[in-house]
Amino acid sequence: AQSVAQPEDQVNVAEGNPLTVKCTYSVSGNPYLFWYVQYPNRGLQFLLKYITGDNLVKGSYGFEAEFNKSQTSFHLKKPSALVSDSALYFCAVRVPNFGNEKLTFGTGTRLTIIP
Amino acid sequence: DSGVTQTPKHLITATGQRVTLRCSPRSGDLSVYWYQQSLDQGLQFLIQYYNGEERAKGNILERFSAQQFPDLHSELNLSSLELGDSALYFCASSPGRVISTGELFFGEGSRLTVL
Repeated sequence: AQSVAQPEDQVNVAEGNPLTVKCTYSVSGNPYLFWYVQYPNRGLQFLLKYITGDNLVKGSYGFEAEFNKSQTSFHLKKPSALVSDSALYFCAVRVPNFGNEKLTFGTGTRLTIIP
Repeated sequence: DSGVTQTPKHLITATGQRVTLRCSPRSGDLSVYWYQQSLDQGLQFLIQYYNGEERAKGNILERFSAQQFPDLHSELNLSSLELGDSALYFCASSPGRVISTGELFFGEGSRLTVL
């Protein structure tokens, strides 16, 4: 079975400071890892993914994430936070499987950027 | 715009009633996924259809059912509704043809309120 943990329900960061949203995973085999963002009253939007290769992946809106196999982590980062980054962030995992791209999501982390 | 269309956007109904949520996937996507997002349980996978056939089942109640039609749109039927069924229901789609490294594309959701 695959699972994802987001240990922080809420993260507050001052505008302009670096931000980190944490995610750890548990799967059998090599994982595909994803970050999604959800703005109020909207659907989930894809931010970035790790499939293979370079452990540091870059995505939309200046976000990046670092895959760490030994720590089974995939933390989301941004060097300088914007107020508009305030949203709900979800980490997700799946394993390669033909015809089934079901994602297992974490419980979400609410990121608030303080002006 | 993800290309996934969900209707209705909002729905208010009474306990004991039955509702149908509709989803049109992105053009060409064969897989459709249904997720439920509630305040206390996060984002829960309900069911997946691939090219008209049920492919994976998650935490879907027996009162709920779904199907995918030949034109690939999908419907989620919720019956004997209870207060606890109030949630945001998301549909997502993916190509599903090969072992894809791609992400899921989410609709804007259907917000169900049971009174």
